[in-house]
Amino acid sequence: AQRVTQPEKLLSVFKGAPVELKCNYSYSGSPELFWYVQYSRQRLQLLLRHISRESIKGFTADLNKGETSFHLKKPFAQEEDSAMYYCALFTSGTYKYIFGTGTRLKVLA
Amino acid sequence: EADIYQTPRYLVIGTGKKITLECSQTMGHDKMYWYQQDPGMELHLIHYSYGVNSTEKGDLSSESTVSRIRTEHFPLTLESARPSHTSQYLCASRPTGGNEQFFGPGTRLTVL
Repeated sequence: AQRVTQPEKLLSVFKGAPVELKCNYSYSGSPELFWYVQYSRQRLQLLLRHISRESIKGFTADLNKGETSFHLKKPFAQEEDSAMYYCALFTSGTYKYIFGTGTRLKVLA
Repeated sequence: EADIYQTPRYLVIGTGKKITLECSQTMGHDKMYWYQQDPGMELHLIHYSYGVNSTEKGDLSSESTVSRIRTEHFPLTLESARPSHTSQYLCASRPTGGNEQFFGPGTRLTVL
C-alpha cells in the first residue's frame, strides 16, 4: 500500500537547536518525495523536493531508499520556521500525491 | 499575475443547500486537484483532472462532483450540503512535465 507516515504531530524545539522532522514512506515504485510547508495564514507551498537535492531556508532532506525515509533537517532552528510541515509522495503511475498527516513545528524563543 | 484563486474564502451555509466552490488558475497548468483538509490534519485527495473534459475521483469518497470545461477552471459542487462536509477545501494545479503542486488559499466551509 502507498503510504506516507509522519510520526510526530507536534515538535517543539528551542531557537538555535537542531531540528529533524521524520517522514517514512511505503511505495513499490521509484519514489519522488516533497516537503510542503504552511505558515500561519498562508497557503501551502513547496519547500523541498528530493530530486533537486537543494537547501532551502537552511533545510535539507535526503532520500534514504534503504530505510524508506525522507527526513527534513535543519541545524539551527529559527522562530520563523514555526509552521506546519507535510511530507508528500508523488505516484508517477497515477499522477497523484499522497500526503502525510503533517507535523507542527514550534520554535521557542 | 499567474496564480491560483479560490472563491469564496469562507462560506457558512445551511444543511441541504447546493454550493459550488470555485477554483481558477492563470498558470496554464493541465493538471488540477481538489483536497479536503480538516484543521491540522492530512490532505485527502477528492478529485483530480488531467485536462479539459477529464475528471477522476480521488482516494477519499466524496459526495461532491467536479467539472473541467476550461483549462483554467475546476469548480467543485455539493448538491446538498451536510454538516459532515464542514472542512477546508484546497485546490491545486501542476504543470505538464513538472511535479510541483501549486496550491490555492483554500475555502473554509461550515455547514450548519
